[in-house]
Amino acid sequence: GAGVSQSPSNKVTEKGKDVELRCDPISGHTALYWYRQSLGQGLEFLIYFQGNSAPDKSGLPSDRFSAERTGGSVSTLTIQRTQQEDSAVYLCASSPTLGGATDTQYFGPGTRLTVL
Amino acid sequence: RKEVEQDPGPFNVPEGATVAFNCTYSNSASQSFFWYRQDCRKEPKLLMSVYSSGNEDGRFTAQLNRASQYISLLIRDSKLSDSATYLCGKYNFNKFYFGSGTKLNVKP
Repeated sequence: GAGVSQSPSNKVTEKGKDVELRCDPISGHTALYWYRQSLGQGLEFLIYFQGNSAPDKSGLPSDRFSAERTGGSVSTLTIQRTQQEDSAVYLCASSPTLGGATDTQYFGPGTRLTVL
Repeated sequence: RKEVEQDPGPFNVPEGATVAFNCTYSNSASQSFFWYRQDCRKEPKLLMSVYSSGNEDGRFTAQLNRASQYISLLIRDSKLSDSATYLCGKYNFNKFYFGSGTKLNVKP
C-alpha cells in the first residue's frame, strides 16, 4: 500500500518568507510526528499528533513554527518568517496504534528546505 | 544528557567483517527500542525493533541491556550494501527519541 508522502520534496525560499510543508500519513494511522534533520545530524522531534488529543508541541524550536492536522489525516507544518538556520530536511512519520509500547514509525521521504 | 547517544563513527570495515554498534539511553522507563537504517539523502527505514532482551533477523542481531541502559546492533558477514547510517531510537510515553546515527562504510 501507499506509504507516507510529503510535499514538496524540495523547497527553496528567501529569508523572511513563510513556508508550508505537507504530510499525508499512511491511511488509518492515528499518530503523526514531525522531525527535523540537519545535515549529518540525528532526528530532532518537533511535534506529535495522537488521534483527537491536543498535540505535543514540546519540540517546536520557536513560535515561528506551527502545525495542524485536519480530520485526523493530513498535516501541515508552517514556518513563518523563515531564517537560514531553518534549512534542513523535515521528515514526517506516522504510526498505526494509539502509542503503545510496540508502536513503529514509518517515515516519509522528507521535504528539503533551503532558506537563502 | 541526551535521551539517546551513539558513536557517530564512521566505522570502516572490509566486506565479510562483523561489526557492532552500541547505543546508550537515559530514562530507565523507556519502553521499546529500535534500529533504523538511513541511506544518504533518504528517509530512515526500520531495521529492527527490540522489545525484550533482543532479537535476530538474518545477519542482524539486536540486544537490549536494561540494567546498563544500552542496546547494540551486530552485523555479521558485512555486505557493501550495508553501508549506511544506523539510527538508534527509543520509545517512551508516546514519544520517540533518536540518536545522531552511526555511519558504516563497508569496503571491498
